[in-house]
Amino acid sequence: GDSVTQMEGPVTLSEEAFLTINCTYTATGYPSLFWYVQYPGEGLQLLLKATKADDKGSNKGFEATYRKETTSFHLEKGSVQVSDSAVYFCALSDDTGGFKTIFGAGTRLFVKA
Amino acid sequence: DTGVSQNPRHKITKRGQNVTFRCDPISEHNRLYWYRQTLGQGPEFLTYFQNEAQLEKSRLLSDRFSAERPKGSFSTLEIQRTEQGDSAMYLCASSPSGQVRTDTQYFGPGTRLTVL
Repeated sequence: GDSVTQMEGPVTLSEEAFLTINCTYTATGYPSLFWYVQYPGEGLQLLLKATKADDKGSNKGFEATYRKETTSFHLEKGSVQVSDSAVYFCALSDDTGGFKTIFGAGTRLFVKA
Repeated sequence: DTGVSQNPRHKITKRGQNVTFRCDPISEHNRLYWYRQTLGQGPEFLTYFQNEAQLEKSRLLSDRFSAERPKGSFSTLEIQRTEQGDSAMYLCASSPSGQVRTDTQYFGPGTRLTVL
């Protein structure tokens, strides 16, 4: 079945450091890929998405490119801020097997001032 | 846009009791999802409604779990004869009509269930 694997956390960075959170997936069809973020005390919210191969999703300085050849959707940001501290979830949605969305286990990011 | 709301936010119950949670989606959204999230894990899909029709149920949704969306608006998730393994955060999400595969889901704050 479909699955999402993302790098284990926590990831601890200093402010202005470069961020990469790895995400790889397996899917039977042609999924859409998502990054959701959960800030402390808040619900999950969409950060960015890409719906087909080679698409790049971007938002708030974060970027991720849908790489079909490597089945990856790595999240990057050039310069993190303390306010980026949160849990990041990679997810896929593939309607060939139904309507479910599959989430990764989440990666917690701590950014130190 | 008031967002997705869930009630109650916290529920503590004794093993064997029944519990019911409510989700109010964003008003114009016709799709509604329930997920379960345990500590250190991502949300796990439980079930999906399009309007009032329950179109998909996960194998995780045992016979003790039932979900309804009677008028295509709010939804309830009931757990009968709760077990300690049911302790988790139960999340509701909604999305507007469109292609399911590309939908953005809007999540509520969740209901945290603790079964003693």
